[in-house]
This record gives sequence, C-alpha cells and structure tokens, in this order.
Amino acid sequence: GQNIDQPTEMTATEGAIVQINCTYQTSGFNGLFWYQQHAGEAPTFLSYNVLDGLEEKGRFSSFLSRSKGYSYLLLKELQMKDSASYLCAVYASNYQLIWGAGTKLIIKP
Amino acid sequence: GAGVSQSPSNKVTEKGKDVELRCDPISGHTALYWYRQSLGQGLEFLIYFQGNSAPDKSGLPSDRFSAERTGGSVSTLTIQRTQQEDSAVYLCASSAVNTEAFFGQGTRLTVV
Repeated sequence: GQNIDQPTEMTATEGAIVQINCTYQTSGFNGLFWYQQHAGEAPTFLSYNVLDGLEEKGRFSSFLSRSKGYSYLLLKELQMKDSASYLCAVYASNYQLIWGAGTKLIIKP
Repeated sequence: GAGVSQSPSNKVTEKGKDVELRCDPISGHTALYWYRQSLGQGLEFLIYFQGNSAPDKSGLPSDRFSAERTGGSVSTLTIQRTQQEDSAVYLCASSAVNTEAFFGQGTRLTVV
C-alpha cells in the first residue's frame, strides 16, 4: 500500500528552529511537496523536492533522501504566524498526490 | 481565472437531499483532485482526474458519491441522499504535470 507518516503534533518556541519529518512508501516517486494549512483555510504550497538534497527558501528549507524515503521541513526563526498544520505529499507513479495526515505545529511565546 | 474556484462556499442541506459541488480549475491544468476534510483532520482523498484517462474513484466512500469532469475542465461532485456524516469541507485542487497543486477555498457542507 501507499503510506506517508508524519508526527501528529509538535510544539516549539517563538524564535527557535523546528524540524518536521516525513517518511513515505509509495508506488513510484515523482517528487515530494510540503504545504502549510492554517485553521479554516485551504493548504498552500511551500516547497517541492524531486532530487536529493536541501532546498532553501527564506526561513523554510526542505530536505529529501529518496533512498531512505525520507524528507524534512525545517523552519527557522519561528514566528507565531507559523502556527499551522504542515502537510507532506508525494507524487506517486500515476502522478496522483498521496498526502500525509499533517503535523500540527504549535508555537509558544 | 487566476485560481481554483469552488462554489458554493457554504451549503446547508437537509438530510436525504442531493447536493452538487462545483470546481473550476486553473486553465490548462490536466489534473483535478477532490478531497474531504473534517475539522482538525487530514485530507481524505475522494477522486482524481488526469487528462482523458479514466478517473481514480478509489476514494469515494459510497455509491452516493459521484463526480464528473466535463471537457477536461469544470468538475462537479454530487452527493445523493446526504447524511450527517457527510458534513465536512470539500476541497478541490488542480495541477499541471509535475507541478504543485493549487487548492480552491473549499465548500463547507453542513447536513442538518
């Protein structure tokens, strides 16, 4: 079967760094996405990794290891507005998106 | 349009009635997805359209649910004989090949 695992909830402090992990087992792989979803809103795109390595975009970075079926999203200099759910998604062999259940990130002052 | 458009944004219906939810994807996007999301939960896959291929309907929870995509563009999700457990936010997303998916703002369905 196809499966994406990520922690259900994480807590971090404003100004700190947090790493949200995602492991996947899918039939085929054509890229991995990270999305942010604030409560009551639709998910919005954060990053896309198709090759191994780190992609940096401002305070957010995403890492991929295809051999390990593993990715992480790194958020630096956390702000209160970063409190949201973070969703990991994989493009499987038929280009269908397979989604993790999301990680709820709680930022404390 | 500039983004994915869904209508209505909110729908309250009586148990047993049929509802139709509409999704207008970004022009040129070949892939279209329907998801359901209950409060505080993750995305539940419903159906996936890709170009002219047969849709992947494996996520539809029962035969009360159906969807079509006309002319490779607009899609309609139909729920027949609605039940209270159908209450959720229904999200539509579209994408081009190998690019990120863009979501509409969703339809909040409440069955009373």
